[in-house]
Amino acid sequence: ELKVEQNPLFLSMQEGKNYTIYCNYSTTSDRLYWYRQDPGKSLESLFVLLSNGAVKQEGRLMASLDTKARLSTLHITAAVHDLSATYFCAVDVTGTASKLTFGTGTRLQVTL
Amino acid sequence: DTAVSQTPKYLVTQMGNDKSIKCEQNLGHDTMYWYKQDSKKFLKIMFSYNNKELIINETVPNRFSPKSPDKAHLNLHINSLELGDSAVYFCASTRTGGYNSPLHFGNGTRLTVT
Repeated sequence: ELKVEQNPLFLSMQEGKNYTIYCNYSTTSDRLYWYRQDPGKSLESLFVLLSNGAVKQEGRLMASLDTKARLSTLHITAAVHDLSATYFCAVDVTGTASKLTFGTGTRLQVTL
Repeated sequence: DTAVSQTPKYLVTQMGNDKSIKCEQNLGHDTMYWYKQDSKKFLKIMFSYNNKELIINETVPNRFSPKSPDKAHLNLHINSLELGDSAVYFCASTRTGGYNSPLHFGNGTRLTVT
């Protein structure tokens, strides 16, 4: 059974600091997705990573995928309060995006 | 607006009741899903339909019955509600083979069983 684990589960950081969220998964896959969820809201797609070595950046967030290590990272640069949310990675092992298995989520709190 | 919309947003009911949640997408997708998010924010797939055909049915009590009248709609009916059914239920959709296209989620239905 595919397991997708994120760490940390909770992250409190000050504005302006850098940090990385890690997503490890247990089965070979070259398709990984990152989502953001604000409290009480829906999930918003952030990044789609489709191959080994894929790197994508949007604003202060950068995601990467190492399929050999079965690891994806979400790096936060110079955090701002607006980035406070829960971040999920999700892995697709079907090859058709028909079934995503979500990680445990990382709740990020950026303090002023 | 193009979106995945689900109703109702909130649902409060007593144990033993039967309730339904409706979902519609106008994105032209052919695959739709129900996910359950528990109180610890853990998201787990429940069902998936492709062009009205059930393709994923995870270990879900048979009190839960999805129905897809067409590829743009996927409803979830729950019989004999239990306290443990309290959660947020998300509908989502995507295009088959669209691995470059992420799941699009609805705004969720918060179900509270008392």
